Amino acid sequence: GAGVSQTPSNKVTEKGKYVELRCDPISGHTALYWYRQSLGQGPEFLIYFQGTGAADDSGLPNDRFFAVRPEGSVSTLKIQRTERGDSAVYLCASSLTRPSTDTQYFGPGTRLTVL
Amino acid sequence: AQKVTQAQTEISVVEKEDVTLDCVYETRDTTYYLFWYKQPPSGELVFLIRRNSFDEQNEISGRYSWNFQKSTSSFNFTITASQVVDSAVYFCALSESEDSNYQLIWGAGTKLIIKP
Repeated sequence: GAGVSQTPSNKVTEKGKYVELRCDPISGHTALYWYRQSLGQGPEFLIYFQGTGAADDSGLPNDRFFAVRPEGSVSTLKIQRTERGDSAVYLCASSLTRPSTDTQYFGPGTRLTVL
Repeated sequence: AQKVTQAQTEISVVEKEDVTLDCVYETRDTTYYLFWYKQPPSGELVFLIRRNSFDEQNEISGRYSWNFQKSTSSFNFTITASQVVDSAVYFCALSESEDSNYQLIWGAGTKLIIKP
C-alpha cells in the first residue's frame, strides 16, 4: 500500500498478557517512529528507528516496552505484562530520512485496551 | 516549559464561517520546522503542512491558509468557509534542529466542531 499500515487495528487483552503491535512503513522510508496517544492528548513519543537500529528509545516508559525493526522495514512494538495504564492508541509514523527535516506520515493506529 | 501551545481546547462554529486555530511555539534553535496535522474522528493523523523557520511566507491551499510570524512565535491556521468535514482535532507540532532532539513536539490539540 501507499501509506503506513498498522495491525491489528484493535487489540483487547487482559492485564498481565503480552502483546505485539505491527507497523509497516511507507516503502523506502528509513526512519520509523512509535507514539502513544491517550484520549484528548497529543501523541507521546516512544521510540525512533533509523534503519534497523533504535536511534532513540528515551520515550519508552519502562522495560516492559520493547521495539524491533530487524530488516529496516517492518517494526514490532512489544509490551510485556500489560497494565491497564497501557491502554491507548499506538501510532506509527515513517519519514524518508532525517526526522527533523522530513515529514512524518502516520498510520491509522492500533487501539490497545487492557482489561 | 511547554514548547507548543494551542490555547484553544475546543472551537465550535457554524458551517461557512471562517475559523482560526492558534499555535504558539517556543524554541532557541534558529533552524526548526513547524507542522499542522488533522486528526478526524477516524483517528488517523493527516499531514497538512510543514514550514521551515527560514520561510515566513504565508501559505494558502484551497480553503486552508497558514500565517507564520517569527516575531510572535506563532503559526496560526485559518479555515475559510468551513465545512462539516473540517470537524476534527488539529495539532500543531515543532521539530527542532538536527543537533537537538528530533522528536516532534506536539501541542495539546484544538477540537474543531463545525455545525451544519
